[in-house]
Amino acid sequence: DIQLTQSPSFLSASVGDRVTITCRASQGISNYLAWYQQKPGKAPKLLIYAASTLQSGVPSRFSGSGSGTEFTLTISSLQPEDFATYYCQQLNSYPWTFGQGTKVEIK
Amino acid sequence: EVQLVESGGGVVRPGGSLRLSCAASGFTFDDYGMSWVRQAPGKGLEWVSGINWNGGSTGYADSVKGRFTISRDNAKNSLYVQMNSLRAEDTALYYCARVNRPRVGYQYYMDVWGKGTTVTVSS
Repeated sequence: DIQLTQSPSFLSASVGDRVTITCRASQGISNYLAWYQQKPGKAPKLLIYAASTLQSGVPSRFSGSGSGTEFTLTISSLQPEDFATYYCQQLNSYPWTFGQGTKVEIK
Repeated sequence: EVQLVESGGGVVRPGGSLRLSCAASGFTFDDYGMSWVRQAPGKGLEWVSGINWNGGSTGYADSVKGRFTISRDNAKNSLYVQMNSLRAEDTALYYCARVNRPRVGYQYYMDVWGKGTTVTVSS
C-alpha cells in the first residue's frame, strides 16, 4: 500500500502568512494526488486535484505542485477562513490513502 | 442541487452487522464512481472503499477487506456498504463521496461529499 506522510502535522500561522504543507508518498504516484480542507464538524472540501489543478470555486491563493513522490500545498496569503485541517490523498492505485492531516491554527 | 445523503448508521455490538446507504441526487449517478470514507472521533480521514460506475471494479482498505462489501444500484441512484464482523475500531463517521475525473486522464478526485452517518460499535 502507498503511504502518505504530511509535514508538518501542526502549523501555527498568522493572517497574511504564506503557508506550505508537504505530502510525501512512499512510492511514485505521478500526479494522482488531491488536497482537501476540513473544518470542525464539516465534510471535507476538495481544493486541488491532479496535484496542481484548482477545483472550481476555490480561491486562487491555494496552489498545488509536485509529481512522483513529493507534493506541496501552498496558501499564498492565509485568510481567517483558512484555519482548518488539510489532507492529501493518493488516487493512483487501490487502496487509496490519505495523509495524516495538517492542522493550521491561528498564531 | 448535487447532493449525497447517508443513512443507516447506529449502535451495534462487536461482531454485528450494519448496512449503510447513500442516496444521490442532482447528477447522473451512473456517470461516476463512488467511495466511502470514514473518520474516527478526533482522528483523520480514512478511505474505506470505492466502486466504479457500473460496480465492475471495487477496492477496499486493508482494515476492512473481507468484512465490508460495497455495492451500488444505479436504478435507485444509491450506494451501499455492507459491514460485517464489526469491531470497536470501526466506530466512525462514515462519508459517501462522488469520484470524479478530468475529461482527459484518470486523475480521480472526490468532489462531492455527504454529511456522514455515525456508526458506533460498542457492547
